[in-house]
Amino acid sequence: AQSVTQLGSHVSVSEGALVLLRCNYSSSVPPYLFWYVQYPNQGLQLLLKYTTGATLVKGINGFEAEFKKSETSFHLTKPSAHMSDAAEYFCAVSVNGNKLVFGAGTILRVKS
Amino acid sequence: GAVVSQHPSWVICKSGTSVKIECRSLDFQATTMFWYRQFPKQSLMLMATSNEGSKATYEQGVEKDKFLINHASLTLSTLTVTSAHPEDSSFYICSARDLAGGRNEQFFGPGTRLTVL
Repeated sequence: AQSVTQLGSHVSVSEGALVLLRCNYSSSVPPYLFWYVQYPNQGLQLLLKYTTGATLVKGINGFEAEFKKSETSFHLTKPSAHMSDAAEYFCAVSVNGNKLVFGAGTILRVKS
Repeated sequence: GAVVSQHPSWVICKSGTSVKIECRSLDFQATTMFWYRQFPKQSLMLMATSNEGSKATYEQGVEKDKFLINHASLTLSTLTVTSAHPEDSSFYICSARDLAGGRNEQFFGPGTRLTVL
């Protein structure tokens, strides 16, 4: 079975500062890993995903994440936060792209 | 990118009534769709996997007789909440899996907020 742990239910950064959202996973088989963003009362939008190959994955809006098997981590980063990045972010794991198991989510607040 | 729509976007109903939520893949065919439920300030929980032309697969603890799923075509899956009660109030989100061109990716609908009075 797969599981996801997101450390920190709330993260607050200043505009222009580094964004780091943490995600650790558990999977008995090679995982597919995803980061999604959700704005209030909306569905989920895919930021980026890791399936195979290069462990550093670049996504939309300047976000990237690195798959570290030894640490079972897939942390999401962005060098410089924008006000528009304020939203809730979900890390998810799946096996072969089938059903997704989501973490509890991290709400990102960006201060001006 | 692939687009998934949900209808309605929100619905308010009385306790004891049934509510149908539609999930459509607008520009691709989806043999598999997924239904998730999200309580306020919580994560998404998979309710069931909807397969075109066959019965849905429900996750443990989800009542299949209460949450009826029909996937009658490659672009439409419906979730019917039968005899709704206030505890069924939630945000319901569907996703559709696009397998075209070797891609294996889920695209999410915008969600349906159900409020049961």
